[in-house]
Amino acid sequence: KQEVTQIPAALSVPEGENLVLNCSFTDSAIYNLQWFRQDPGKGLTSLLLIQSSQREQTSGRLNASLDKSSGRSTLYIAASQPGDSATYLCAVYTGGFKTIFGAGTRLFVKA
Amino acid sequence: DAGVIQSPRHEVTEMGQEVTLRCKPISGHNSLFWYRQTMMRGLELLIYFNNNVPIDDSGMPEDRFSAKMPNASFSTLKIQPSEPRDSAVYFCASSPVKSGSGELFFGEGSRLTVL
Repeated sequence: KQEVTQIPAALSVPEGENLVLNCSFTDSAIYNLQWFRQDPGKGLTSLLLIQSSQREQTSGRLNASLDKSSGRSTLYIAASQPGDSATYLCAVYTGGFKTIFGAGTRLFVKA
Repeated sequence: DAGVIQSPRHEVTEMGQEVTLRCKPISGHNSLFWYRQTMMRGLELLIYFNNNVPIDDSGMPEDRFSAKMPNASFSTLKIQPSEPRDSAVYFCASSPVKSGSGELFFGEGSRLTVL
C-alpha cells in the first residue's frame, strides 16, 4: 500500500533563506508526483508536476526533484518570502485514478 | 480560463438537514474527484468519476453520502441527513484526458459546518 510522508510537519524560517521540503513514498511504481500549495481557507494550487521519467522541474524560485528508486522528492524554495507562507503538500499518482497525498508541511516565513 | 468552480463556499446547517454541494469541472477534463479535508484525517478521496461514470465510491463514509454527475460539466455531492462529524472542507478536483496524467486541479472548496 502506497504511503506518502512529509517531513518536517512544520517549518519556520527567516525571510531570504533557501529551504528544502521533503516528501517520501513507499512504492516506487508511480506515474508522477505533484507538489501543491494550500493557503488557509483556500483550495490546493498546483505548483509543479514531475513525470516518473523526469528528474526535476523548475518554476521561478521553485525546484522539485524526484528520485523514484529511493522513493523521495524534494521541493527547493530559493530566497524565501513571507508570501511563501502556506502548507505544501506532495501527492503521488499511482495510476487507475489513484492519487495519494502526504499530510503536508506548514511553512512560515518570518519578515 | 475558469478553474474548478464549487458552490456554496460556506454552508452552515443543523444536524439532520440535507446538504448539497456543487461542482463544475474544468471544460474538457474527463475525470472528477470529490475529496474531504479535516485536521485529523487530512485529504480523503470520497469518490471519483470518469466520463461521468462513478468508478470508485469506496471512500464514501456512509450511505448518507451520495454523488452524481449527470453531465460532463456538473457534479453534486449530497449528504442526507447531515451530522456534526460531517463538518469539513469538501473539495472537488478535475483531471484532463491525457493518459497517465493524473494531474489534479482543485476548486476552492466548500466549508461545511453541521451544528
